[in-house]
Amino acid sequence: EAGVAQSPRYKIIEKRQSVAFWCNPISGHATLYWYQQILGQGPKLLIQFQNNGVVDDSQLPKDRFSAERLKGVDSTLKIQPAKLEDSAVYLCASSLDRNRGREGYTFGSGTRLTVV
Amino acid sequence: GDSVTQMEGPVTLSEEACLTINCTYTATGYPSLFWYVQYPGEGLQLLLKATKADDKGSNKGFEATYRKETTSFHLEKGSVQVSDSAVYFCALSGTDSWGKLQFGAGTQVVVTP
Repeated sequence: EAGVAQSPRYKIIEKRQSVAFWCNPISGHATLYWYQQILGQGPKLLIQFQNNGVVDDSQLPKDRFSAERLKGVDSTLKIQPAKLEDSAVYLCASSLDRNRGREGYTFGSGTRLTVV
Repeated sequence: GDSVTQMEGPVTLSEEACLTINCTYTATGYPSLFWYVQYPGEGLQLLLKATKADDKGSNKGFEATYRKETTSFHLEKGSVQVSDSAVYFCALSGTDSWGKLQFGAGTQVVVTP
């Protein structure tokens, strides 16, 4: 079974620029998660999708972050405009469904964003 | 809300030493508990899990027991190797969280030859 695919692996941008990350979950997985991991901290959930609908986006800074999951498969996370404090690793994960998510799930390798 | 507290690192120990990383949690109901590991330059990997009280999760020589009475899920390994050097994260998924993971801050473990 192929894992969760993310791209790009690394991105360096200047503050106030925009950036987008892409995630392709494991085939057949209905639930998709985006986490932000700031250096030295544990990951924090930004947004959770069930198919193409949003389940939880309570910690997503909606003034600058947006995410979509068209057709309930792959997903993009966008930041516009970026701030220095957005420097982090952005992790994507997926699970068969929300219930199975409570059994643990697989993360992608992440995208390391550096804002200068 | 739900939260996880784990011991701060770095933890430095010699090869073949015993490792314990403490983890306690706050949550309503009966959360699922996890240990994730992040090796240098790699992504997060699920190390082990326990989904109900008194369950013991185990993998790669690591063990952790879900203790409801002490709200703890301590990670243990009897004899560590240099290859166990990594950052270890304790996490929980709450009863009504629909899979959302709440992570601790992580504990860096450094094993020297």
